[in-house]
Amino acid sequence: EAGVTQSPTHLIKTRGQQATLRCSPISGHTSVYWYQQALGLGLQFLLWYDEGEERNRGNFPPRFSGRQFPNYSSELNVNALELEDSALYLCASSLGTATNEKLFFGSGTQLSVL
Amino acid sequence: GNSVTQMEGPVTLSEEAFLTINCTYTATGYPSLFWYVQYPGEGLQLLLKATKADDKGSNKGFEATYRKETTSFHLEKGSVQVSDSAVYFCALSERAGGTSYGKLTFGQGTILTVHP
Repeated sequence: EAGVTQSPTHLIKTRGQQATLRCSPISGHTSVYWYQQALGLGLQFLLWYDEGEERNRGNFPPRFSGRQFPNYSSELNVNALELEDSALYLCASSLGTATNEKLFFGSGTQLSVL
Repeated sequence: GNSVTQMEGPVTLSEEAFLTINCTYTATGYPSLFWYVQYPGEGLQLLLKATKADDKGSNKGFEATYRKETTSFHLEKGSVQVSDSAVYFCALSERAGGTSYGKLTFGQGTILTVHP
């Protein structure tokens, strides 16, 4: 069974541009989560989608947005890129929404903003 | 707000040494606690979890006990192997009542290197 897949693996953009990152959850998983792993800052929660709706959002500016499609795949969009947006963006999925639910992570998209 | 504090790393050990990685947390209510591991070039994987006080999570020789009185969830392994070299993250899940916020709060991560 395929795990969580993310694309692209690497993405290079310049300041002010927009970036689109994609995530396909494990088959049957309806919840998708996005995290930012910046150097020295650990993993920061970005967004949670479940059944096509945004359920929770971390402390990030509105230029970070996303959506979840009917097939439960998800897209993260970052507008007006800034240098500090350079980070590894991790997507995770889960079967349910219980607080002890196991999250399955993808390998991430490394975003570099020049 | 909720937070997780891990011992500062990196940690370097010889094979078969005893491992402890300290983790303490601050939370309102009763969070679930997790240890995730990130092997080189791979995504995070759940290593173990505990959902209530005094629960012990265990997997692959690793153990951690949910200590509410000391708000701790220290990771231990009696004899580490070279293949255990990875980054280890302590995390807690947040909720209000029985409803999940869908959010894990992670510690900063501890880099473990095990030499033969």
